Amino acid sequence: DIQMTQSPSSVSASVGDRVTVTCRASQGISTWLAWYQQKPGKAPKLLIYAASSLQSGVPSRFSGSGSGTDFTLTISSLQPEDFATYYCQQANSFPLTFGGGTKVEIK
Amino acid sequence: QVQLQESGPGLVKPSETLSLTCTVSGGSVGSGRYYWSWIRQPPGKGLEWIGYIYYSGSTNYNPSLKSRVTISVDTSKNQFSLKLSSVTAADTAVYYCARQNGDYVGHPFDYWGQGTLVTVSS
Repeated sequence: DIQMTQSPSSVSASVGDRVTVTCRASQGISTWLAWYQQKPGKAPKLLIYAASSLQSGVPSRFSGSGSGTDFTLTISSLQPEDFATYYCQQANSFPLTFGGGTKVEIK
Repeated sequence: QVQLQESGPGLVKPSETLSLTCTVSGGSVGSGRYYWSWIRQPPGKGLEWIGYIYYSGSTNYNPSLKSRVTISVDTSKNQFSLKLSSVTAADTAVYYCARQNGDYVGHPFDYWGQGTLVTVSS
């Protein structure tokens, strides 16, 4: 199985801050990576697929980059509705696996 | 707009079989264009992919659960189902059904159900 490791596990930030979340795969996955946002009591929501493609309807302040084993999700200017937990997911091979999550908290 | 809705018992006894159904609206499980998956999340923890089914009935399961999992599809009812046998407290989780946006491993999960909490307890 491909292991996905996210860092940090949590981050405190203020509205307007730039926030970066990192995801590392245990082996190369090209750009087969997705990012999801999850709010308490809700299902995950797709933000980014193919490492850098923005899902329809997702604000442009979200962006993704990377290939191979190292990936980044960036929120350029944090908004109040962005406080949530973010998960990466590799889509290179089965079994599909997720990172452990990064909780973005209010500073 | 595609919508997925999980249904099934919220409480299952240890050693018994967990059974859930996902009803799809606004789209067809028989379209042949998507994988339909089950994913779970223990309370306060991360996400675990359980497996998928294709409209043809072909499946792919997570090896960690493969011996206990069965996923089936009923195209006439536009539903797919999960059975997990010999459950223990470790199977307590919110169970989500989700659509993988394509019939290839590389596609992400673009639609999710709201999730249903299943507790394993006597």
